[in-house]
Amino acid sequence: SQQGEEDPQALSIQEGENATMNCSYKTSINNLQWYRQNSGRGLVHLILIRSNEREKHSGRLRVTLDTSKKSSSLLITASRAADTASYFCATDNFNKFYFGSGTKLNVKP
Amino acid sequence: DADVTQTPRNRITKTGKRIMLECSQTKGHDRMYWYRQDPGLGLRLIYYSFDVKDINKGEISDGYSVSRQAQAKFSLSLESAIPNQTALYFCATSDLWDRGHTGELFFGEGSRLTVL
Repeated sequence: SQQGEEDPQALSIQEGENATMNCSYKTSINNLQWYRQNSGRGLVHLILIRSNEREKHSGRLRVTLDTSKKSSSLLITASRAADTASYFCATDNFNKFYFGSGTKLNVKP
Repeated sequence: DADVTQTPRNRITKTGKRIMLECSQTKGHDRMYWYRQDPGLGLRLIYYSFDVKDINKGEISDGYSVSRQAQAKFSLSLESAIPNQTALYFCATSDLWDRGHTGELFFGEGSRLTVL
């Protein structure tokens, strides 16, 4: 399988804390994307980082990419209860997307 | 109205029945995808299509077939459903973004299929 792996599988934090999720993948990539999924709903795109970029910010999101280690991390700062969801990384390999197994984030108010 | 619409949203069927899941999009994208999601396994790519005449198998195409009836429509069929095809199925679309690479995926709300 070309799927990546997210770590941890589940994360529970208090509102206001930062949440960090990691993603490892197996093949070379064109870009890596992070998605969010509220329970049972469709996935929503959060951020894209190109293979030649090392770090990217969008609002409270910070993504890093280390292509030598085939890994990425997603940091959500100052988390809110509304951030409770599952988060997936997706690797773009020749215009096909392969998803990791996801991190389930629970932000307690 | 949603940009990517899947029908039906929920379906319960019996082993051996033929099932079709339909997807239509109003985004004008050429690229369309079908994924299945199982608990703890993330999303796995079943089939993808880069234009009306282009259909490709993904990671887990066995037991599935697709039809791209038009740029806006991409259907997934299970010719003879079996219980281990019980899953949440997602359609997604995308467009070319950068130097010929695909941009973000836009997902439908999913079709929950139960095969008894």
